[in-house]
Amino acid sequence: NAGVMQNPRHLVRRRGQEARLRCSPMKGHSHVYWYRQLPEEGLKFMVYLQKENIIDESGMPKERFSAEFPKEGPSILRIQQVVRGDSAAYFCASSRQGNDEQYFGPGTRLTVT
Amino acid sequence: GDSVTQMEGPVTLSEEAFLTINCTYTATGYPSLFWYVQYPGEGLQLLLKATKADDKGSNKGFEATYRKETTSFHLEKGSVQVSDSAVYFCALSDSNYQLIWGAGTKLIIKP
Repeated sequence: NAGVMQNPRHLVRRRGQEARLRCSPMKGHSHVYWYRQLPEEGLKFMVYLQKENIIDESGMPKERFSAEFPKEGPSILRIQQVVRGDSAAYFCASSRQGNDEQYFGPGTRLTVT
Repeated sequence: GDSVTQMEGPVTLSEEAFLTINCTYTATGYPSLFWYVQYPGEGLQLLLKATKADDKGSNKGFEATYRKETTSFHLEKGSVQVSDSAVYFCALSDSNYQLIWGAGTKLIIKP
């Protein structure tokens, strides 16, 4: 029973490039959450999605960041024109229902050079 | 807004020592409280939780009691093992899904 999968585990991008982070939820889970962890800080909520629907994106920066969870395939967190301040660990979690326990993936470490 | 503060790490202990990792919170409502653990190279795992005042969460020898009067949820274990070395996160939720996190405390257990 595979857990939440995230890839890549490590991603290096130059300033101005695009970063695409993928998250495959656990089998049977249709709710996905993205969190960002800046160095020396706790995780910060970014966005909550269900299949084909964004439920809450109150933690997403207004520009350059977008997220989707299509009917088929993984959830994608997309960061356009990355800057050094985007360097962080990005964690994805999934749950069966919206108020269920969240199961976390191992995270993607993004480094912007 | 709501927030979680936990003790800075790293915390270094010898095997079989008593562990306490402090966690305090501020919240306008009556949140649920959680401890998550992250082992090296892995995702975060829920360790224990408590949903109302005076509840005690426990798992794998770890315990934490929801103290409303002191707004605290300290993590304790009577005798730690090398395998407990990890990063521990305290978190709260006052909605159905949005978790608010402490900065994490790295725990190092020496044999």
